[in-house]
Order: sequence, then structure tokens, then C-alpha cells
Amino acid sequence: EPEVTQTPSHQVTQMGQEVILRCVPISNHLYFYWYRQILGQKVEFLVSFYNNEISEKSEIFDDQFSVERPDGSNFTLKIRSTKLEDSAMYFCASRDRGPTIYFGEGSWLTVV
Amino acid sequence: AQTVTQSQPEMSVQEAETVTLSCTYDTSENNYYLFWYKQPPSRQMILVIRQEAYKQQNATENRFSVNFQKAAKSFSLKISDSQLGDTAMYFCAFMKQQTGANNLFFGTGTRLTVIP
Repeated sequence: EPEVTQTPSHQVTQMGQEVILRCVPISNHLYFYWYRQILGQKVEFLVSFYNNEISEKSEIFDDQFSVERPDGSNFTLKIRSTKLEDSAMYFCASRDRGPTIYFGEGSWLTVV
Repeated sequence: AQTVTQSQPEMSVQEAETVTLSCTYDTSENNYYLFWYKQPPSRQMILVIRQEAYKQQNATENRFSVNFQKAAKSFSLKISDSQLGDTAMYFCAFMKQQTGANNLFFGTGTRLTVIP
């Protein structure tokens, strides 16, 4: 069964460093998402992406964040200068024309 | 704005028994989708069940069923014959039905423990 894959599964980075989280959405899906879950809290929407541009972004998705779909396969989330409060599980997700969003296994980011 | 409320932070159930998790939501939309996602200790988000608001019939998936009350804006999940593998966080989520990317709004989750 097709699935969303994410790398790395866990990354530790120093505060102020740039981080790139990578995702391969399900093939032929059209809509792509990044969500974030701080430990013990609910899942929060960051950004949605469609037709090679951002469709919607939340207040969390400030200028430190960017997304890219560089080659029609990968979908990346970049955090330019990480802060301690960026420590969280980051989920990539995708969907086709139907309503169900399929999630990857997440990338756990720890900022020290 | 859409809000999703899960008023039960934690619940437990004996193996093989039935448990119901509550969810309420607030929206001015008439057409939307509701979901229950499961997040086991592995942290992956797994779809459990989906309900279309325009459907009066409650969705069922094997041991999982929902009680969807549109007027009351209530969407509870019933797990029958609970199994140890059902131990997880359960998130209720809402999505508007409209063209475009549409994202999910999640509740705060209910941690379910199945006791052997």
C-alpha cells in the first residue's frame, strides 16, 4: 500500500542551525501538507501546498519556514534558524482529490 | 473558525469491552468531513474512520463505529471488543468540504489505554 515517507526519523540540531525535513508524498497525490505536534500537545497545521505553490499557511509558519517541491517527487520543509520551541514531531501528509489526508511517520526534531 | 473539542484527556477500558470517545466541534459550515485518527506509541497518525456530514448513516469500520449527531455537532467513536493494540492517542479532526487544499483541524486528543 502506498505511503508517505519521511526522512530523517529523528534529528538533533543546535539552536540557530538550518534544518531540512524531507518527505515523499504518495504518488499521484495532489495536495501536500506539513503539520507539527509539540510533545504532549495536539497536531497543528503549518502549511498546505498545491500546484507548486502554498495554498494556505498558519500563524506558526512564519518567515523562518519554507516549503519546496523541487523535483515533482520530494516535498521539503526548511527551518532557517531553529529555535528551542521548534522542537516537535513534524508530519508530512498528502491527499488526492478525496478528503482523506494520509500522514507519514513523522520526523522528530530536537533543538538543543 | 473551526474548533474541535475532546473533553476526555484519558480513558481506559478492559480488553474485549466497549468504549466510547467523545468529540464535539463548532462550525458554521454545512458541508464537511469528520475523522478519527489513531496515534500509537510509534507516533504515526493512522486514519481510523471518516464521516461525511451529508450522510445520515453512521460510518463503521470493523470494530470502530461513530455516532454522528449533526445538529448537536457531536461525533463520538465507539470501539467494540477492545484489543491491546487499540492503546493509543485518538484525535478527532474536522475538514471543510470545499475546493482547494483544505486542512484538518484537530482536537487535543484522548489517550486510551486497553487493560489486559
